[in-house]
Amino acid sequence: QVQLQESGPGLVKPSETLSLTCTVSGYSISSGYYWGWIRQPPGKGLEWIGTIYHSGNTFYNPSLKSRLTISVDTSKNQFSLNLSSVTAADTAVYYCARQGGNAFDIWGQGTMVTVSS
Amino acid sequence: DIQMTQSPSTLSASVGDRITITCRASQSLSRWLAWYQQKPGKAPKLLIYKASSLETGVPSRFSGSGSGTEFTLTISSLQPDDSATYYCQQYDTYPYTFGQGTKLEIK
Repeated sequence: QVQLQESGPGLVKPSETLSLTCTVSGYSISSGYYWGWIRQPPGKGLEWIGTIYHSGNTFYNPSLKSRLTISVDTSKNQFSLNLSSVTAADTAVYYCARQGGNAFDIWGQGTMVTVSS
Repeated sequence: DIQMTQSPSTLSASVGDRITITCRASQSLSRWLAWYQQKPGKAPKLLIYKASSLETGVPSRFSGSGSGTEFTLTISSLQPDDSATYYCQQYDTYPYTFGQGTKLEIK
C-alpha cells in the first residue's frame, strides 16, 4: 500500500534552514497526484504549508512563501521542503501527505522539528 | 484566505449519542470540504471528502453533509474509539485552510 515517511533533522537553529524529505513507497510520484506538506505547532491546529505536482508545479501558503521551497525528485520518489530563516514559531510536527480530489488521503507519521539554539 | 470556523470547540458526549460538528466557511466552497480525525500523537486521518463522501474503511456511523458555506460532520452512535480531535479543511482554493478543531470527549 502507499506509505509516506518524513525524514530530516529534529533540531534546527534560529535563522537557519529547515530541510525535510518525504519518501513515498507503493506509488510512483511520476504517475500523478499532488503532494503536500502540513504542519502542527505543539498543542495547536493544522496549517497547510504547500503542495507540489510531479511536474514541479508548486503552490505555497502566502504566509510562508518568501521562505519556502518545495521540490520533487521523481528518480528517488521523494519530495522535499526547505524553509529558510526559521524562528521558534516554526517549531512544529511536519507532515507530508498525498493530495488528490479526495483531499489529503494518505499521511506520513509526522516528524517533530524544534527550532532552538 | 478562506476562514474556516468550527463549532463547538469542545464536546462531551456519551457512548451511543448522536453528535454533530459544524464547520462554516467565510466564502462558498461548493463541496470541496474534508473532515479529519486526529488522535494524540498521530497523523490526521481522512474521514469524509467532497463534503459527504465516506473514505474507504471509515465506519458508516460517520457522515458529512452541507454545501456552500455550511457543513456538518455527524457521528450517529458514538463509540469509545471516537474520542479525538476533528478538523474540517477546505480544498476549494489555495491557500488551503483548516478549522481550529473540535475536541470530542467520551464521557
